[in-house]
Amino acid sequence: IAGITQAPTSQILAAGRRMTLRCTQDMRHNAMYWYRQDLGLGLRLIHYSNTAGTTGKGEVPDGYSVSRANTDDFPLTLASAVPSQTSVYFCASSDSTSSGANVLTFGAGSRLTVL
Amino acid sequence: GQNIDQPTEMTATEGAIVQINCTYQTSGFNGLFWYQQHAGEAPTFLSYNVLDGLEEKGRFSSFLSRSKGYSYLLLKELQMKDSASYLCAVRDSNYQLIWGAGTKLIIKP
Repeated sequence: IAGITQAPTSQILAAGRRMTLRCTQDMRHNAMYWYRQDLGLGLRLIHYSNTAGTTGKGEVPDGYSVSRANTDDFPLTLASAVPSQTSVYFCASSDSTSSGANVLTFGAGSRLTVL
Repeated sequence: GQNIDQPTEMTATEGAIVQINCTYQTSGFNGLFWYQQHAGEAPTFLSYNVLDGLEEKGRFSSFLSRSKGYSYLLLKELQMKDSASYLCAVRDSNYQLIWGAGTKLIIKP
């Protein structure tokens, strides 16, 4: 089934540990995004990539890094996790970065708890 | 600053009609989106408005007034499966999406 696969689905992590959330899409979309979703707040963009080999910072990039070595994969790394990074993380992709509807397709999400 | 406002929660009855409002203040405007998100699941696309007026898609319709910074999502013939959060998002002048916190819609029999 075409779409976005995220892993892990859920993870409990000790503060200070390094963690990578994986995201893979099979739709050959150019653009990919990482969002975090917290209760009472809208989705907030962490990092994005308009095409393979390029990345950019979103609204809340501090403490996170990404890479885009190829079209399909867009991992998100927390170098040293802190409790404020407890959240649900969604990876998304789209086949256009500007004109048109640019509809996002989301992965199922990764629930991360940092203790 | 940029801001998207929508009600936190709404309740409606199965079979009825409900209107979910969204007001926005953003740096520029390049389209407004509505997404549906069931509890514990990913958001899924419902509608897109870039010009003023009403866009109808089955039981769901979305309206936009750019001059008023206002949109609404209209859901007709409500079904229990429509119980979900509805997210309003605006694409700004930098083509970045600004998201509202979502409206949780509770459908009662």
